[in-house]
Order: sequence, then C-alpha cells, then structure tokens
Amino acid sequence: DIVLTQSPGTLSLSPGERATLSCRASQTFDTKYFAWYQQKPGQPPRLLLYSASSRATDISDRFSGTGSGTDFTLTINRLESEDFALYYCHRYDGSPPYTFGQGTRLE
Amino acid sequence: EVQLVESGGGVVQPGRSLRLSCAASGFTFSDHYMDWVRQAPGKGFEWVGRTKNREKSYTTEFAASVKGRFNIVRDDSRMSLFLQMNSLRTEDTAVYFCVTYLSGYPYWGQGTQVTVSS
Repeated sequence: DIVLTQSPGTLSLSPGERATLSCRASQTFDTKYFAWYQQKPGQPPRLLLYSASSRATDISDRFSGTGSGTDFTLTINRLESEDFALYYCHRYDGSPPYTFGQGTRLE
Repeated sequence: EVQLVESGGGVVQPGRSLRLSCAASGFTFSDHYMDWVRQAPGKGFEWVGRTKNREKSYTTEFAASVKGRFNIVRDDSRMSLFLQMNSLRTEDTAVYFCVTYLSGYPYWGQGTQVTVSS
C-alpha cells in the first residue's frame, strides 16, 4: 500500500505568515490524481487543489501546490483567520487503497 | 451542477446491516467511477471502496477493513450508488461520503452519519 505521511502534525503560525505543509508518499504515483483538502469542524472536506497543483473552483490564489514523485507541498500565503483548519492530502487513482494523509492541523 | 446526496444513515446494532444511498445529478453518472469514503469521529479520512464504470466492467475494490462485509452497487439508470454494509462493527461508526471524479476533479457529497452501537 502507498502510505501518505503529512508533516508537521501541527503548524502554529500567525495571520499574514506563510504556511508550508508537506505530504510524502512511500512510493511514486501519477500526480494527476492527487488532491489537497481543507476541513473545518462539522463540515465536509473542501477541495483546494487537484492534480497536485490545479486550484479548485473559487479557491484563492493564496493556495498553491507543487510536487512530483513522492514529495508534495501545499503553500498558503498571507494566512487569513479562515485558513486555520485541518488539511489532508489524498491519492485517488492507481492501485487501491486510495489513501489519505493523517492530516496537518494549522493553528 | 454536480450534486451527490447521501442518505440512509442511522443508529444500528453491532452485527446488523445497513444500506446507504447516494443520489447523483449534474453529470453523466454511468461514465464515472464512484467511491465511498468515511471519517470516524475525531479521525481522518478512510477510503472504503470504489465501483468503476461500465467500460471497466463495474469492477469493485474495497479497503481491507471492510472487504467481505461491505458491497457497492450502482444503478446507472437511476444515477444512484449504494453501499451495503453487513456485519457492522462499532469501529464502522463514521460519516460516510460518496465521491466521484470528473476528469480528475473530485466531487463530494455532504455525508451521512452511521452509528454502530448496542
């Protein structure tokens, strides 16, 4: 199974700063099927990026994604209060299981 | 507009069965893969299973944790997806989401709560 490991587990920053979140895979896979999500309490996940670097509909350009092979990064520039949430990475094609990272809490 | 609406959740005793539904609209349902994903209370996401499309012979795939207990059925004529859950365990307690991917773009429903408790 391909394991996705997110780091750090918790990231403590202030509004206006830049957040850099990492997701590392245990094996390489097709980055066309890699996404980042934001989740707030009591809500379903909100798609931020798909295909590793393409922003989803209505997502601010403060969110950007890079990565290939086994290392992926989500960058959030100029943090705003509504950005403080949980973030998950997800691989959704290739061979099952289609795993998620364990999450990074941005506080 | 793509919409996925889950239903059928509730409280069920361990060992019993439950069937979840997902009503789809806004896209050509028969062309696309459909997943079930769950999130236990206070935990991250777990992929549960997938049904591929007609072109891929409606092949199903399951997570090891549910294989042999859960089954996925799709009805393309009704644009509906179902998750048949048997031999439920307390650890199956979670919010269950249906998910589809259009040209690599994921769409999620709002989820339905399943609680397995005696």
